[in-house]
Amino acid sequence: GENVEQHPSTLSVQEGDSAVIKCTYSDSASNYFPWYKQELGKRPQLIIDIRSNVGEKKDQRIAVTLNKTAKHFSLHITETQPEDSAVYFCAAKGGGNTPLVFGKGTRLSVIA
Amino acid sequence: KAGVTQTPRYLIKTRGQQVTLSCSPISGHRSVSWYQQTPGQGLQFLFEYFSETQRNKGNFPGRFSGRQFSNSRSEMNVSTLELGDSALYLCASSLGDLNTEAFFGQGTRLTVV
Repeated sequence: GENVEQHPSTLSVQEGDSAVIKCTYSDSASNYFPWYKQELGKRPQLIIDIRSNVGEKKDQRIAVTLNKTAKHFSLHITETQPEDSAVYFCAAKGGGNTPLVFGKGTRLSVIA
Repeated sequence: KAGVTQTPRYLIKTRGQQVTLSCSPISGHRSVSWYQQTPGQGLQFLFEYFSETQRNKGNFPGRFSGRQFSNSRSEMNVSTLELGDSALYLCASSLGDLNTEAFFGQGTRLTVV
């Protein structure tokens, strides 16, 4: 089945700097890659997703890139703010009716 | 529209007991997936139900089971509880079609003592 590796497990950045989180996946048939943000004590919420027919997608300060050949995808957050502090999870979903498999998460701390 | 609702929010059980958790999906969503969240292990997939059938299963022992009703509400059951089962259990609902967003409930915090 699908396996998703996520790095780093923790990340601290100064307010205003950029943050990058990287994930790799194992199933070459995977074609859907969402990113979720989980604030302390809250449920995970989708912040951005990308499908396999697209190499990059942006939404204001966040962007996701996908390299299908290398089987990795990344989340980029620019101009970080304290409210960006949270745990971020990447996930991958394979072809057909396969489940959504998550990485182990990255705890991002934005220092004011 | 109402989001995904999980009950109860908190549970304390003793080793050896069993527990049932409930998840009510967003109206119209036919897929419900369950995840176990523990520190350092992220979101580990338990199983997925779609139209009352288990469509996928993760690598958990048979003590973990689930079911889905005709109204798409789902329950998961854990029998013979162990201390290591202490975790946040999250369910997520989606339309069930390929590559559609999964919406999470607020989770049930299970503590086994």
